[in-house]
Amino acid sequence: DAGVTQSPTHLIKTRGQHVTLRCSPISGHKSVSWYQQVLGQGPQFIFQYYEKEERGRGNFPDRFSARQFPNYSSELNVNALLLGDSALYLCASSVSHNQPQHFGDGTRLSIL
Amino acid sequence: AQSVTQLGSHVSVSEGALVLLRCNYSSSVPPYLFWYVQYPNQGLQLLLKYTTGATLVKGINGFEAEFKKSETSFHLTKPSAHMSDAAEYFCAVSGNGAGSYQLTFGKGTKLSVIP
Repeated sequence: DAGVTQSPTHLIKTRGQHVTLRCSPISGHKSVSWYQQVLGQGPQFIFQYYEKEERGRGNFPDRFSARQFPNYSSELNVNALLLGDSALYLCASSVSHNQPQHFGDGTRLSIL
Repeated sequence: AQSVTQLGSHVSVSEGALVLLRCNYSSSVPPYLFWYVQYPNQGLQLLLKYTTGATLVKGINGFEAEFKKSETSFHLTKPSAHMSDAAEYFCAVSGNGAGSYQLTFGKGTKLSVIP
């Protein structure tokens, strides 16, 4: 079975630009969460979606937004990119909101 | 609010020696606890989890962890380290209730295995 897939794997942007990251969950998983992992740190929770509704939001500015589609895939959007947004962005899926999350390999975003 | 503290950002052990990675948590509700491993340039792989029931949980690759409520700890152990265990390990807590949708991670412990 395919795991969580994320695209693109790497991305380079400049300050002020906008970026869209994509995630396809494991088949049958209805919950998708997004995490930001800055180099040398643990992942930090950004969003969780379950059944296409936002179920949780971490301490991130409004420049960060996300949505979940009817097929349970998800997009993370970041506007007005800052140098500090450089990180590995991880998507995780789970069957429901309180089941173990399975992570993709992430999108590495570099801001120049 | 929940938090996780991992003692030791870097741990080195000899091949064949005991691995002990420490994790302490803070949670206002009964926690779900997890250990994840991350290899370079990869995502996180679940090693083991504690939700309810038996406090000693066994995971993949010979790892196990024991939930000790009185000590608010969930330390990860493996009797004999293998070279392939070299990676970064993250302890995480998830609330068992309204906030159960969110994992709070520690800062990670990088494990080196010396031949």
